[in-house]
Amino acid sequence: EPEVTQTPSHQVTQMGQEVILRCVPISNHLYFYWYRQILGQKVEFLVSFYNNEISEKSEIFDDQFSVERPDGSNFTLKIRSTKLEDSAMYFCASSEQRGVRVGQYFGPGTRLTVT
Amino acid sequence: GQSLEQPSEVTAVEGAIVQINCTYQTSGFYGLSWYQQHDGGAPTFLSYNGLDGLEETGRFSSFLSRSDSYGYLLLQELQMKDSASYFCAVRGYSTLTFGKGTMLLVSP
Repeated sequence: EPEVTQTPSHQVTQMGQEVILRCVPISNHLYFYWYRQILGQKVEFLVSFYNNEISEKSEIFDDQFSVERPDGSNFTLKIRSTKLEDSAMYFCASSEQRGVRVGQYFGPGTRLTVT
Repeated sequence: GQSLEQPSEVTAVEGAIVQINCTYQTSGFYGLSWYQQHDGGAPTFLSYNGLDGLEETGRFSSFLSRSDSYGYLLLQELQMKDSASYFCAVRGYSTLTFGKGTMLLVSP
């Protein structure tokens, strides 16, 4: 069964450093998403992406964040200057359509630890 | 803005039936989804309700009342592997807004 993959599984970085989290969505999916989950808290929407541009973004997704689809398979989230409060699990998701009946398929996540 | 309320924890025994409720306040509502998450792993899509009524998928059913801004997830014939967190999520145009989750503990 096709699945969303994410690398790395765990990233440790120092405050102020740039990190790039990578995702490979399911191959025939057209809509891509990033979410984050701070330990013990709910999953929070960051951004949705379609047709090489951002569809929607949350207030969390400020100028420190950017997304890119550099080629036909990868989807990346960049945090330019990490802060301690960026420590969280970051989930990538994809869906075949925007259609509301369609579920979003989540990857296993990247645990980001900012020290 | 959007807010969702669901119980923080529910306990039940194997073989039982459990209902997890979700109430929401939102703008731009397209539907209510339910996701399961084991121990901080990837959320897994369970079901979606766009219209009022009951949707059934095997042992799981989900219900929505748009007029009451209320929905629930019904799990039947509980198994130990159903112990997990369950999140209701409001579907927007291209977003999902999650509730804080309900931890379901299934005991023998």
